[in-house]
Amino acid sequence: NAGVTQTPKFQVLKTGQSMTLQCAQDMNHNSMYWYRQDPGMGLRLIYYSASEGTTDKGEVPNGYNVSRLNKREFSLRLESAAPSQTSVYFCASRNRLAGAYNEQFFGPGTRLTVL
Amino acid sequence: QKEVEQNSGPLSVPEGAIASLNCTYSDRGSQSFFWYRQYSGKSPELIMSIYSNGDKEDGRFTAQLNKASQYVSLLIRDSQPSDSATYLCAVKGSGANNLFFGTGTRLTVIP
Repeated sequence: NAGVTQTPKFQVLKTGQSMTLQCAQDMNHNSMYWYRQDPGMGLRLIYYSASEGTTDKGEVPNGYNVSRLNKREFSLRLESAAPSQTSVYFCASRNRLAGAYNEQFFGPGTRLTVL
Repeated sequence: QKEVEQNSGPLSVPEGAIASLNCTYSDRGSQSFFWYRQYSGKSPELIMSIYSNGDKEDGRFTAQLNKASQYVSLLIRDSQPSDSATYLCAVKGSGANNLFFGTGTRLTVIP
């Protein structure tokens, strides 16, 4: 099992360019998440998908869109990149079960720089 | 007020000592609590989860939860240089389907 995979690992964009960050998981998890991590700010949730066919905004959704393509894949799109979106982006997944909230598994991250 | 607060450190302890990491949270209805370890340039990985008041031990790691005081802590016994990392506290809020993360505490274990 590869777990959670993300592409690309690194990306440099110019202001105004668009791009899509890809995430896939092979653990048959039903919930998937996109976070950004900035120095001193911790991990902040951008969007999440509780199950296939649903998406919801997190703490910092402005400037982003998401698509839950199928149960395995959850993509994050920047339509018009801004320098404030320079960050490390992590995708995570979780097997949502009845009862206690269980752990999220994280992908390796995408380091994005917007010039 | 942030949902989850941690002392950012850095926290330095000598090899073999006990490292103590603390976290407080604001949502009194929170039920699920997690400690993640993140090495520099890597992704977070789960160290411990805890759901009930009291202590939970796993090897050299002990998580402690006190819901009345709204804090959760992580103790690392016999600290090793390989424990040097940033430790993230995460809490599931009562009304949310997601985790709130603290900013992390950077731990350095000095050989």
